[in-house]
Amino acid sequence: LAKTTQPISMDSYEGQEVNITCSHNNIATNDYITWYQQFPSQGPRFIIQGYKTKVTNEVASLFIPADRKSSTLSLPRVSLSDTAVYYCLVGDSIGNMLTFGGGTRLMVKP
Amino acid sequence: SQTIHQWPATLVQPVGSPLSLECTVEGTSNPNLYWYRQAAGRGLQLLFYSVGIGQISSEVPQNLSASRPQDRQFILSSKKLLLSDSGFYLCAWSVLGQPEETQYFGPGTRLLVL
Repeated sequence: LAKTTQPISMDSYEGQEVNITCSHNNIATNDYITWYQQFPSQGPRFIIQGYKTKVTNEVASLFIPADRKSSTLSLPRVSLSDTAVYYCLVGDSIGNMLTFGGGTRLMVKP
Repeated sequence: SQTIHQWPATLVQPVGSPLSLECTVEGTSNPNLYWYRQAAGRGLQLLFYSVGIGQISSEVPQNLSASRPQDRQFILSSKKLLLSDSGFYLCAWSVLGQPEETQYFGPGTRLLVL
């Protein structure tokens, strides 16, 4: 089981780019990397997923180096509404995503 | 489109009372279903997952149980609640056949055991 390590919290200001890095040193060959966003009292919402290199969608970008032992979620030009907890998960199938971990609490300030 | 429902949204129960939380998914067939618990200020912990009707796998020992009586229905139960069962319970689904297995979460049930 690949465990993940993220910073507990981060602060940013509106309009800035935010990069949240996740370490997953023992990631397996079949594992994908998935990021979720969670607002208080709501379920996590899928943001982005990748296997290697770079993935971009309308919400964020995900950078994965060649060794895949870490990944960086990049949020361009954050707004106050991006204040949330961001979780990094690594896994490939049922049961491999046993624990989300504490996530990273992002606070966006005006 | 697929939707996932959970109820009740909030619940206050005394210690020792029974529990039944329900989760239903619409718009998809034979989904994988999951129950998670999130304690206050902490990450999510997988409690149960199911790959089909009547098939339940438990990840952690506890006084909770799960059942899947229908393809798109997942129920979390307890015969006697403990104080430590308080938390935010989330149901999620994913689709078989996709290697990346993205999970989609319901709105959650906030349980307070007093």
